Amino acid sequence: DGGITQSPKYLFRKEGQNVTLSCEQNLNHDAMYWYRQDPGQGLRLIYYSQIVNDFQKGDIAEGYSVSREKKESFPLTVTSAQKNPTAFYLCASSRLAHSIGEQYFGPGTRLTVT
Amino acid sequence: DQQVKQNSPSLSVQEGRISILNCDYTNSMFDYFLWYKKYPAEGPTFLISISSIKDKNEDGRFTVFLNKSAKHLSLHIVPSQPGDSAVYFCAASARRNAGNMLTFGGGTRLMVKP
Repeated sequence: DGGITQSPKYLFRKEGQNVTLSCEQNLNHDAMYWYRQDPGQGLRLIYYSQIVNDFQKGDIAEGYSVSREKKESFPLTVTSAQKNPTAFYLCASSRLAHSIGEQYFGPGTRLTVT
Repeated sequence: DQQVKQNSPSLSVQEGRISILNCDYTNSMFDYFLWYKKYPAEGPTFLISISSIKDKNEDGRFTVFLNKSAKHLSLHIVPSQPGDSAVYFCAASARRNAGNMLTFGGGTRLMVKP
């Protein structure tokens, strides 16, 4: 059963703490992406990676960091520098970035920071 | 500046009737368009796509129309069913420049009443 898993489904943290969101895919996709969704808004790209050990900033990368040490895994760290970290975070993957095809999404992680 | 806009935040339709969701874009480099469907607390799922070389693509109850001169696309769902109630996102890609990078609209919440 191929797919994308994100864990945990819900995450609560105190302000000032870093937190890492997990994303794993077994679709053998090269490219992986992180988005955040805020109420009433669309998906905004945080970071993306087209290949292992390489990643690029998206539209709203400030306060976030990522790593891509394995093809299957693309964890996102929400740092204390992110001013409004409470949001719904979505991970996605796709075949080679320059091929035709849609992105496949994980179930998401809802992060609440108080 | 929003390159992809969905100007109707919500739409209510009676079961069995047609649902029409609209999307406008500003970037003339976009050449591939997708619609995603999203239930609450879940990741978006791919619904249907269209290349800029076409003006219509149909898949069962779902049809996407593209008007390049107006930079407008629409998703038609006929007949609408209560299970279609969800948030629908349109997305666009400039494949020649950015491969599978997607720019999302803000979403339209569709409610199909029994």
